[in-house]
Amino acid sequence: GAVVSQHPSRVICKSGTSVKIECRSLDFQATTMFWYRQFPKKSLMLMATSNEGSKATYEQGVEKDKFLINHASLTLSTLTVTSAHPEDSSFYICSARNPGPREAFFGQGTRLTVV
Amino acid sequence: RKEVEQDPGPFNVPEGATVAFNCTYSNSASQSFFWYRQDCRKEPKLLMSVYSSGNEDGRFTAQLNRASQYISLLIRDSKLSDSATYLCVPSLSGGYNKLIFGAGTRLAVHP
Repeated sequence: GAVVSQHPSRVICKSGTSVKIECRSLDFQATTMFWYRQFPKKSLMLMATSNEGSKATYEQGVEKDKFLINHASLTLSTLTVTSAHPEDSSFYICSARNPGPREAFFGQGTRLTVV
Repeated sequence: RKEVEQDPGPFNVPEGATVAFNCTYSNSASQSFFWYRQDCRKEPKLLMSVYSSGNEDGRFTAQLNRASQYISLLIRDSKLSDSATYLCVPSLSGGYNKLIFGAGTRLAVHP
């Protein structure tokens, strides 16, 4: 079936540094990908919609200058957490919807810890 | 009103039990419906799509009531491996339309 691959699965970084997370759709071309964040025991919160070849659409309350999204090709979207702080520590997950059946497939997630 | 509402649980059931989860959604324009399961500290995985006429996949049965904007999931003969959080996901069709998740319903199956 369709596969979405996310890398890295786990990262620890120092406060003030930036971290880039990659999301690839392996089996289909995804003009749109989605980035979510999940805090422990909480629901997935949509952060932004990544659009190939154009600007991302951010959800209310998400700082676009802090969470930079680039969707340069039909199979790759990246999320960069800039100037990370401990409160950015979370589980970040990307997804892409299959053009056919329309269900979404998820990357394995990235557990970010900012120290 | 929240876009998706589910009883957060937890539902604690013994192996072999039948358990049902309910979900209501607010966007009447929703056209695609899914149930996902999420294991602790893992990404969500598609359990099944939900069709208008209702559908079954092994021990799992999903029902949709568009008039009431209500989706259900029935799990028969629960297994220990069914322990997870179950997420009801209504959506507009189209690969560019986002999926909005509720908090999900937590199921714990015990021996």
